[in-house]
Amino acid sequence: AQSVTQPDARVTVSEGASLQLRCKYSYSATPYLFWYVQYPRQGLQMLLKYYSGDPVVQGVNGFEAEFSKSDSSFHLRKASVHWSDSAVYFCAVRYDTNAYKVIFGKGTHLHVLP
Amino acid sequence: NAGVIQTPRHKVTGKGQEATLWCEPISGHSAVFWYRQTIVQGLEFLTYFRNQAPIDDSGMPKERFSAQMPNQSHSTLKIQSTQPQDSAVYLCASSSGLGGSQNTLYFGAGTRLSVL
Repeated sequence: AQSVTQPDARVTVSEGASLQLRCKYSYSATPYLFWYVQYPRQGLQMLLKYYSGDPVVQGVNGFEAEFSKSDSSFHLRKASVHWSDSAVYFCAVRYDTNAYKVIFGKGTHLHVLP
Repeated sequence: NAGVIQTPRHKVTGKGQEATLWCEPISGHSAVFWYRQTIVQGLEFLTYFRNQAPIDDSGMPKERFSAQMPNQSHSTLKIQSTQPQDSAVYLCASSSGLGGSQNTLYFGAGTRLSVL
């Protein structure tokens, strides 16, 4: 079955440290891949997305993600986190290029220590 | 552009009562999605519409949940005979298309449903 796995439910880092949030998907082809962020009491906002081309994609607020076909992964990274980055981060996948359905991982709650 | 608007923000119902949740997508967007968010299950896909037509309701509980999109400016999610396990945040999202920049889902702030 198609699935998206975020193995870390919660990540705590200190402000200024680097960050990697992991995401793996199960699919033989390359799907559309997304990272969304949810701040407290808000809806989700897209950070970045990938379908083809350069495997490293840049997003908003200094975030980037790297696609790996061999590893079926799409990990999110940031070189230096800020306390305001504390939020829940969701990896998402759209498997069918002819359909709209998007499946989300369970999310990783990021807590940045000031 | 006010974004995706969901009303009410909070709804409290008694067990067995009906709950109707409203969503106004971004003007001009052709696809509307409903998701349910809980701590345990995360974000679960429920259903989506394209050009007001129901396309995929594979995530909808079959017996008590229904969704409609009577016109391009709003969609409703109705839960009959609500149960405590229906307590969740229900999120609506809209999208303008399939390819390129149209891929992005724009989410509303959600409706928090509490069933007592």
